[in-house]
Amino acid sequence: EDQVTQSPEALRLQEGESSSLNCSYTVSGLRGLFWYRQDPGKGPEFLFTLYSAGEEKEKERLKATLTKKESFLHITAPKPEDSATYLCAVHFTSGTYKYIFGTGTRLKVLA
Amino acid sequence: NAGVTQTPKFQVLKTGQSMTLQCAQDMNHNSMYWYRQDPGMGLRLIYYSASEGTTDKGEVPNGYNVSRLNKREFSLRLESAAPSQTSVYFCASTDPVMYGYTFGSGTRLTVV
Repeated sequence: EDQVTQSPEALRLQEGESSSLNCSYTVSGLRGLFWYRQDPGKGPEFLFTLYSAGEEKEKERLKATLTKKESFLHITAPKPEDSATYLCAVHFTSGTYKYIFGTGTRLKVLA
Repeated sequence: NAGVTQTPKFQVLKTGQSMTLQCAQDMNHNSMYWYRQDPGMGLRLIYYSASEGTTDKGEVPNGYNVSRLNKREFSLRLESAAPSQTSVYFCASTDPVMYGYTFGSGTRLTVV
């Protein structure tokens, strides 16, 4: 079964305490893996697209990496404004259009 | 500001009532999507339109209809609302898919 799983469901960090979020997937024909940030009461905001294993993308304190089975979103020295829900999604070929979201990781960064 | 605009932001319906959620984008994107977001379920695709004049079912299309009015506008209609349709609805657009979706701010719908 095609599936995207994110862990942990929730994460509390102290300001400056680096950590990683995980997105594992079991799909065939991966065309891209996407990371989004969602603030309460708002729509998701696109962060990164990763296309192939070994690829990395960076934006400020965020760095996304991709292997053949999972992706990590590394957060270095987070600040309170990094608090949000982080969603990953995969786009893959399966006859019809397939773009599946994970359920997200709720990140809280404490000052 | 460029982006995706959804209306209304909030709506309460009684069971059996109908309504249309409106979505418009000004980025000249070809593809538009309707998702619903429920706690613990993630975002699930209801319908999508790969280009003007085409629409296709997503993962959870039952109870919904859509219209791609033109390149800018993609509406979602609930013909006879049910409590199970209580959710937050998001419209999104992209072109191409690999550039990531641009989402609207959502419509919070409650069916009582």
